[in-house]
Amino acid sequence: DSGVTQTPKHLITATGQRVTLRCSPRSGDLSVYWYQQSLDQGLQFLIQYYNGEERAKGNILERFSAQQFPDLHSELNLSSLELGDSALYFCASSASSGSHEQYFGPGTRLTVT
Amino acid sequence: AQSVAQPEDQVNVAEGNPLTVKCTYSVSGNPYLFWYVQYPNRGLQFLLKYITGDNLVKGSYGFEAEFNKSQTSFHLKKPSALVSDSALYFCAVRPLTDSWGKLQFGAGTQVVVTP
Repeated sequence: DSGVTQTPKHLITATGQRVTLRCSPRSGDLSVYWYQQSLDQGLQFLIQYYNGEERAKGNILERFSAQQFPDLHSELNLSSLELGDSALYFCASSASSGSHEQYFGPGTRLTVT
Repeated sequence: AQSVAQPEDQVNVAEGNPLTVKCTYSVSGNPYLFWYVQYPNRGLQFLLKYITGDNLVKGSYGFEAEFNKSQTSFHLKKPSALVSDSALYFCAVRPLTDSWGKLQFGAGTQVVVTP
C-alpha cells in the first residue's frame, strides 16, 4: 500500500458528462501528480500541483482541470467526456517537488459509454 | 525533448533464469532514472532509481539496474526470476534540470515468467 488513495475505483458515465476524480496524497506529501494510462497512449503526465499551486502541465486537454486544496487532497475534473477519455487515471505524490520517487495510488478506471 | 524507449513489448523467461528488461533514454543533460512495476488492476510500485553515484543500483524484490551513460541505457535485471515477477514494467526518466519532477514513462514491457 503506497499510502495514496483515490476514489472512486471505477466510474462509468456517458459521453458529454462531467466527472470528478479525487486523490489523497501520502501523509506529509506536498506534491501531487496526475497521469492518464490508456492502451494507445501509454502513461501520460497530465498535471502537477505543489502545495496548492499548479507547477507543471503535460498533455492535459482543455476539457480537463485540476486543483489541490488546502488539506493537500487533489481533484481532477473531466468534462464534455468523449469515448476516447476512457482510461485509468492515476494520482501520485511525493514529499516535495525536488523529491525523486513518486508513489502512485491504485487508480480510477473511467469508462465513457 | 526527453524520451524513453523500452524496445521489447514482452519478455518471456523461465522461473529461475535471469531476467533483463531493457530501457534506453534520451534527455538533455543528466537524468534521474526510475523503474516501476504494475501488477494487474493495481497502481505503479516504485522499484528503484538512479540519481548519481554508483552505476549499479539495487532495489526492491531483488531487482537491480545498471546505468550506462555512454549507451544511455538503464536496464533492469534480476538474477533469478520468480513467477510472481510477472507484471508490467515501466522505465521513467526525469531530467536533472526539471525541478518539478514530472516523469516521462516508456511504453512498458510485459514480463511473463513461466514455471
